[in-house]
Amino acid sequence: QVQLQESGPGLVKPSETLSLTCTVSGYSISSYYYWGWIRQPPGKGLEWIGSIYHSGSTYYNPSLKSRVTISVDTSKNQFSLKLTYVTAADTAVYYCARGTVGTWYFDLWGRGTLVTVSS
Amino acid sequence: QSALTQPASVSGSPGQSITISCTGTSSDVGNYNLVSWYQQHPGKAPKLMIYEDTKRPSGVSNRFSGSKSGNTASLTISGLQAEDEADYYCCSYAGSNTLLFGGGTKLTVL
Repeated sequence: QVQLQESGPGLVKPSETLSLTCTVSGYSISSYYYWGWIRQPPGKGLEWIGSIYHSGSTYYNPSLKSRVTISVDTSKNQFSLKLTYVTAADTAVYYCARGTVGTWYFDLWGRGTLVTVSS
Repeated sequence: QSALTQPASVSGSPGQSITISCTGTSSDVGNYNLVSWYQQHPGKAPKLMIYEDTKRPSGVSNRFSGSKSGNTASLTISGLQAEDEADYYCCSYAGSNTLLFGGGTKLTVL
């Protein structure tokens, strides 16, 4: 059974870098799926952050592109999110998710992790 | 890119049918057959309910159906049940390898 689990600090200071990891269990991350990050500010809607393919290709939300990096560590079966220069507006539940190459939807999601930006 | 437009809330009684709309533009919803719908219960992760406008994943009730006309996609839930009460989000491919979500709709089962 494939599962995704987000991990990382729950509190980040303004102007610092938010770093999260998604651990994939039950399936090789280097196979024909792609992996994405989506966030949801408290009480608000979903926002796609970006996706990474097994080839290493990355695609980002244009509104976040200058601050986002998504990478894969195949040796650990993990992929990661880095978001620089965070502000209170980046406070959200961050979800990692899986999509099938050639499609544009996420069929499996992690439980999500809340990241609060505050001094 | 602006978020796709959804009604903030809809409601219906058990057994009734409801429809949630998702309006985009000719650059996203209207240009690709790539709209998906997600159901989210409070405190839970989203769950895929419809993909590629009209397709239903294995295990999703056939009470859920998707359709599209022009720049507006729709999710219809028939035979409304108490367990359907949740937030619903549409999502569309928006070109240039990007995705765009709607603002979400809160479904209340009366």
